[in-house]
Amino acid sequence: QQQVKQSPQSLIVQKGGISIINCAYENTAFDYFPWYQQFPGKGPALLIAIRPDVSEKKEGRFTISFNKSAKQFSLHIMDSQPGDSATYFCAAPETSGSRLTFGEGTQLTVNP
Amino acid sequence: NAGVTQTPKFQVLKTGQSMTLQCAQDMNHEYMSWYRQDPGMGLRLIHYSVGAGITDQGEVPNGYNVSRSTTEDFPLRLLSAAPSQTSVYFCASSYGLRIPEAFFGQGTRLTVV
Repeated sequence: QQQVKQSPQSLIVQKGGISIINCAYENTAFDYFPWYQQFPGKGPALLIAIRPDVSEKKEGRFTISFNKSAKQFSLHIMDSQPGDSATYFCAAPETSGSRLTFGEGTQLTVNP
Repeated sequence: NAGVTQTPKFQVLKTGQSMTLQCAQDMNHEYMSWYRQDPGMGLRLIHYSVGAGITDQGEVPNGYNVSRSTTEDFPLRLLSAAPSQTSVYFCASSYGLRIPEAFFGQGTRLTVV
């Protein structure tokens, strides 16, 4: 079964700083690697996703970096804002392609 | 457009009781799934369905049943509630697993006493 390890468990950043969350996987179907954002009391929502044939994808202040050889990918949040305070989950598809395995989550707090 | 609707939002059960968590989506998605979320453990897949009439087990299926009689609905049944099933449950749907975006419901917070 796919193992997805996410770090850190919690992260506190000052407004304007860079938030970095890391994810490591074991095996995958190599379809895509998404990051989800979850606010308290809400369901997760897709933030950004990357396909493994590219090393980096940027959408506004959010960037995914992908290292296929190391089996790692990371989320960078530039110019972090208090509104970014949420829990972030990475996910990787199982080798069978039948389901996603999520990381344990990172609780991000951005102080004003 | 309602998206994914879960009911109820909150529920308290006594040990041994049974209940059904409802999930409905109006996006004509083929793929639907149920997750439970526990502190420090992320989202764990309970059951999933790739289309009407087809279901399969996820990572933590014990104590739960599902069925998929229509494309829109995917109820989750707790057969005999246990305190270990205290959790927040999320239903999700997508066009297919290989499509990155899954749409999640608002969640059901279940407490078993």
